[in-house]
Amino acid sequence: AQTVTQSQPEMSVQEAETVTLSCTYDTSESNYYLFWYKQPPSRQMILVIRQEAYKQQNATENRFSVNFQKAAKSFSLKISDSQLGDTAMYFCASKTSYDKVIFGPGTSLSVIP
Amino acid sequence: DAGVIQSPRHEVTEMGQEVTLRCKPISGHDYLFWYRQTMMRGLELLIYFNNNVPIDDSGMPEDRFSAKMPNASFSTLKIQPSEPRDSAVYFCASSSTSGRTGLNNEQFFGPGTRLTVL
Repeated sequence: AQTVTQSQPEMSVQEAETVTLSCTYDTSESNYYLFWYKQPPSRQMILVIRQEAYKQQNATENRFSVNFQKAAKSFSLKISDSQLGDTAMYFCASKTSYDKVIFGPGTSLSVIP
Repeated sequence: DAGVIQSPRHEVTEMGQEVTLRCKPISGHDYLFWYRQTMMRGLELLIYFNNNVPIDDSGMPEDRFSAKMPNASFSTLKIQPSEPRDSAVYFCASSSTSGRTGLNNEQFFGPGTRLTVL
């Protein structure tokens, strides 16, 4: 069975600083996807970034990047130059082929002006 | 495309009443998911469909919950009778199968329905 763990229930960061959110997962599959979703106060779930397990290169989307450590089953999200609009819940998720997405419990990030 | 559409956005009802939540997935998507989100339990997958067929309903909490997908563009989640502990935000999401690898891509979420059962 898949599991996703986020050990940081809450985090805060000063505006313009860098913050890293942690995520570990467990799966017996060799081919899978990993995702980070953002849920701002509006409740809308928004995909931030995704990583295909067979790709060694870490995914990057503008100020968002991941540190994917396959052997350690770790998938952290780094947010550079934090902005007030980054304040949200962040969910790490994993998905194997033809299977459902498993979400972690979430990390509440507050960006402080 | 308008994205995943859910209705109503807010629902307030009294205990014992029937509640029906509706979802229209993105056109062309062949997977549809129903989630429930609460502070205590986080985001829980209730059930998901592939090509209108329920694949996994192990997350449905009780027989009071039922879901249908009569066609590719519409799904309902029904709670009968509703109870105060059903109060939550219910999300619908859809995704499409990658043609080359068969792997699903990202799930697109609707705005959610906030349900309050008094």
